[in-house]
Amino acid sequence: DTGVSQDPRHKITKRGQNVTFRCDPISEHNRLYWYRQTLGQGPEFLTYFQNEAQLEKSRLLSDRFSAERPKGSFSTLEIQRTEQGDSAMYLCASSLKTDTQYFGPGTRLTVL
Amino acid sequence: AQSVTQLDSQVPVFEEAPVELRCNYSSSVSVYLFWYVQYPNQGLQLLLKYLSGSTLVKGINGFEAEFNKSQTSFHLRKPSVHISDTAEYFCAVSEISGGYNKLIFGAGTRLAVHP
Repeated sequence: DTGVSQDPRHKITKRGQNVTFRCDPISEHNRLYWYRQTLGQGPEFLTYFQNEAQLEKSRLLSDRFSAERPKGSFSTLEIQRTEQGDSAMYLCASSLKTDTQYFGPGTRLTVL
Repeated sequence: AQSVTQLDSQVPVFEEAPVELRCNYSSSVSVYLFWYVQYPNQGLQLLLKYLSGSTLVKGINGFEAEFNKSQTSFHLRKPSVHISDTAEYFCAVSEISGGYNKLIFGAGTRLAVHP
């Protein structure tokens, strides 16, 4: 069990650029979640995958955001035309059952 | 809709003193309850969870929490804190329904342990 990994750990980009983050869940976990955490706040749910199917998307996930999980393994979160308000920590979590979610270290995005 | 309120944004405490971090939740259905800890520039680590059974839950690093259904609370306690406990603590709730659970987090409590 190597834990949930995320790449990159930090990303600095200019407003209007596209960025993509990757999450590798714990290998046997079929459930994968994305959360966003802004400074001084708790994480907020963005989206959920069970295997390769995206089953729920938060209203926070505007049409500039897209997430995929091909083949039910790793997941990517892409933000198009980034805005300064997108600056946050993006957290990925995975679980096998419906109780405990295990979090990765996060990707900190800074939009200049 | 579910919500979580962490009543204290910051809690300063001296080393070896006891501490309680308060958490209240709102939900119309049965829930699972969690406490996570976050160290600077890191992800969240699970401290403990309540799913069912005994209302007193013991977790890692000497922390424990008590589920009180009538008061809809899940306060976190530690009898004697260490400098290394300095971190941000998040209470979270998820509804027991469907085939998955999304976590609803409180805003966090920053625990600062002073020598």
